[in-house]
Amino acid sequence: DQQVKQNSPSLSVQEGRISILNCDYTNSMFDYFLWYKKYPAEGPTFLISISSIKDKNEDGRFTVFLNKSAKHLSLHIVPSQPGDSAVYFCAASADNYGQNFVFGPGTRLSVLP
Amino acid sequence: SQTIHQWPATLVQPVGSPLSLECTVEGTSNPNLYWYRQAAGRGLQLLFYSVGIGQISSEVPQNLSASRPQDRQFILSSKKLLLSDSGFYLCAWSVHRAWPQHFGDGTRLSIL
Repeated sequence: DQQVKQNSPSLSVQEGRISILNCDYTNSMFDYFLWYKKYPAEGPTFLISISSIKDKNEDGRFTVFLNKSAKHLSLHIVPSQPGDSAVYFCAASADNYGQNFVFGPGTRLSVLP
Repeated sequence: SQTIHQWPATLVQPVGSPLSLECTVEGTSNPNLYWYRQAAGRGLQLLFYSVGIGQISSEVPQNLSASRPQDRQFILSSKKLLLSDSGFYLCAWSVHRAWPQHFGDGTRLSIL
């Protein structure tokens, strides 16, 4: 049973437009959420996080939105650039230390020039 | 700058053989270190994490073990590999964060 779901395995967006990557979770105890970005042949790299006390966190072109009642979070990239093409993983944690994050299966984003 | 090295990149081993995957971090001290496994079509599963030399926490019961003989070295081992140990293994580190910040490039392990 996947506790963190990314139902879109892939997404294509035109350069300059908004990319919206979605993530749903089932465990209501999750209170910290992360997004990671992974290029081919490289390991994932931390991108942005949000705690359950917030509903939005912004870092440059990247914004994460959290809807706790819907158990849903999303990553918005505006404007999208070809260099954003990668696999994006959503992750969530329920424990105080945060080491044990549950990862989603990932969404492959392709930004078309 | 900090870098993480993980090797080998790919490994094919027979069932019942031993395993040793190594991960080293450069450019930082006293990092938190992690071993993850990714099965096909699924997210990353935390196997072990370490907050210091000789300190290993295991998240799931399994055929694998981990050791941290030095501050920036993390080793994943098995005495006898099972078919179910096949997968993609990732090492990661973090400093001043309770979550992995950077991952290595991974080892694809195939058990025959």
